[in-house]
Amino acid sequence: QVQLQESGPGLVKPSQTLSLTCNVSGGSIVSGDYYWSWIRQHPGKGLEFLAYIYHSGSTYYNPSLQSRLFISIDTAKNQFFLNLNSLTAADTAVYYCVRADRWLRQFDYWGQGTLVTVSS
Amino acid sequence: QTVVTQEPSFSVSPGGTVTLTCALSSGSVSSSYYPSWYRQTPGQAPRPLIHSTNVRSSGVPDRFSGSILANKAALTITGAQSDDESDYYCALFMPSAIWVFGGGTKVTVL
Repeated sequence: QVQLQESGPGLVKPSQTLSLTCNVSGGSIVSGDYYWSWIRQHPGKGLEFLAYIYHSGSTYYNPSLQSRLFISIDTAKNQFFLNLNSLTAADTAVYYCVRADRWLRQFDYWGQGTLVTVSS
Repeated sequence: QTVVTQEPSFSVSPGGTVTLTCALSSGSVSSSYYPSWYRQTPGQAPRPLIHSTNVRSSGVPDRFSGSILANKAALTITGAQSDDESDYYCALFMPSAIWVFGGGTKVTVL
């Protein structure tokens, strides 16, 4: 059973860069055809797709946030990462790391999510 | 800017049937958008329900079904139970190879 676990700072200051890590266990990040993704949810709001990466290194970003996002992967550590720069209060959200099936186009395994608050 | 629209809320009686829809601002939804559906209860991560328009995810009861109705993706709950009270989200896979989520529908069973 694949498990994903996010880690990162709970509180970051405006204008700083958020760095999140997703640790994947129960399966190799390079096996199978999966996209490793980040999705966020503002408090009381809906889901927002952010980005995904394939183990080959191919990346795709939400166009509205692309200039501030960077996703990367460390296959040796079975982890993937998200950086979001120039933070504002509007980036306060729960951030989920998620596995997506490349062919079924479904988000099939989700981390529990980590709340990130942007505040001075 | 692509917008995916869902009904904000629906109420259904226990045992009743409700159909949620997922519309695309730029045109019709078809199976080529690989519509998927997720349910989320407060404080929990979303869980997959349906993928590829109408394929139930593992362990999902058959009272949940997906389809394309009137150029929209649709999720139908037949024989609603109190446990079905949740927020439901659709997601569409765009030709640009990214996903866009709908705003979600809050379903109340009463």
